[in-house]
Amino acid sequence: SAVISQKPSRDICQRGTSLTIQCQVDSQVTMMFWYRQQPGQSLTLIATANQGSEATYESGFVIDKFPISRPNLTFSTLTVSNMSPEDSSIYLCSVWASVLSGADTQYFGPGTRLTVL
Amino acid sequence: GENVEQHPSTLSVQEGDSAVIKCTYSDSASNYFPWYKQELGKRPQLIIDIRSNVGEKKDQRIAVTLNKTAKHFSLHITETQPEDSAVYFCAAHNAGNMLTFGGGTRLMVKP
Repeated sequence: SAVISQKPSRDICQRGTSLTIQCQVDSQVTMMFWYRQQPGQSLTLIATANQGSEATYESGFVIDKFPISRPNLTFSTLTVSNMSPEDSSIYLCSVWASVLSGADTQYFGPGTRLTVL
Repeated sequence: GENVEQHPSTLSVQEGDSAVIKCTYSDSASNYFPWYKQELGKRPQLIIDIRSNVGEKKDQRIAVTLNKTAKHFSLHITETQPEDSAVYFCAAHNAGNMLTFGGGTRLMVKP
C-alpha cells in the first residue's frame, strides 16, 4: 500500500488569503487526485494532478481558484486561493497504487482541515 | 458521467445484528467498486472492494455483492460491534480512472 502524508494537517485562515497544501507519497504513483469533503458530506473530486502537465479539473472547479502542481511522481500541491468561509472543508490527497495482489486501489491521505474565518 | 446513489443515509442497529448498505450506479462501464469506512476526524479507509468479474467477496464479517445487470452493489456487515460505528462510503470506478462516491451512510451500532 502507499503511505501518504499531507501538510498542514489543519489551518485557520482569514478570508481573502491563500493556503497551499502539500501531499507526499512514499512511492512513485501515476494517478494523484485532490478531493474536497465539506462538513457532513461525501467526497467530491476537485481535479486529477497530472505529472508534467496541467491538472484536469472537474465541473465546478477552476484553476484560478484551485491551482495544482505535480512536479514529480511522488509530490503534489493544491492551493486554495482567495479563500472565503465556503471553502472551509477537509481537503484530501488520493492516489492509485498497487496492492500485493498486483491490482490497483485508491488510498487517501490524512486530510487537511481548513477553516476560513 | 457516473452517478452513485447510496441508501440508507443513516442506519442504527443493535450490537450483534447485521447491517446492509446498498448502492446503485449509472455507468455500465464501471468495473471496480470499493467501500470505505471513515471514522470521525480520520481519512477514508478501504475496507473491501469488488471487481466486475466476480459477484461476491467476503472478508471475515464483511461481504460485498455485485449485480452488474441491475447495476447495484451492497455491503453486508455481520455480528456488528460498536467499533463498526462510522460513516461508510461506496464508490464506483470507471474507465476514466476516477472514483465517484455515494453520499455516505452513518452506521451506529448500539451496545
